[in-house]
Amino acid sequence: QQQVKQSPQSLIVQKGGISIINCAYENTAFDYFPWYQQFPGKGPALLIAIRPDVSEKKEGRFTISFNKSAKQFSLHIMDSQPGDSATYFCAASSSGTYKYIFGTGTRLKVLA
Amino acid sequence: DTAVSQTPKYLVTQMGNDKSIKCEQNLGHDTMYWYKQDSKKFLKIMFSYNNKELIINETVPNRFSPKSPDKAHLNLHINSLELGDSAVYFCASSQSVNSNQPQHFGDGTRLSIL
Repeated sequence: QQQVKQSPQSLIVQKGGISIINCAYENTAFDYFPWYQQFPGKGPALLIAIRPDVSEKKEGRFTISFNKSAKQFSLHIMDSQPGDSATYFCAASSSGTYKYIFGTGTRLKVLA
Repeated sequence: DTAVSQTPKYLVTQMGNDKSIKCEQNLGHDTMYWYKQDSKKFLKIMFSYNNKELIINETVPNRFSPKSPDKAHLNLHINSLELGDSAVYFCASSQSVNSNQPQHFGDGTRLSIL
């Protein structure tokens, strides 16, 4: 019940295309859902996060869509660029547990 | 000015040795973490400290001993290193113990056991 399932494992997208990464969870106590971006040789960095009281959050080219009833959330990268090539992790946490549960990561490659 | 810094960046050592990794954050955060990232990139929390007190210990072998001399530092000492300890270890910090806070990660320490 503590798992966060992430798909796909890897994704190749043409420049200018839309990249979509999906995550699903079981624990209904989760109330914070961040996405992290990790470049090779670097630590993960927070990209965007959402709480379950909204269904969508947009920051620039990055959008989180959240479906509370389906217990799913996804990251959409519009107009994908080669510089977006990285590994993306979804995560979930619940108040009082002091920790994130990370998804297994998606390696995104954007072709020039 | 690096927010969360870890040293060393690379660590290559023999099985059975003891080694330490240091972490410092200059963000004024109260909470610090150690994560292990395996060869498949899976990120797993190991420990968390809040104001120098241990709050998470995720069934990590007791060969791993974290130490927090003050809230800006969280070091990780590993005894009797094993092949399975080869991984990238990340330190992170957040403003408070509330898990609904962004976590800021260092760039990792790549540990290779020969």
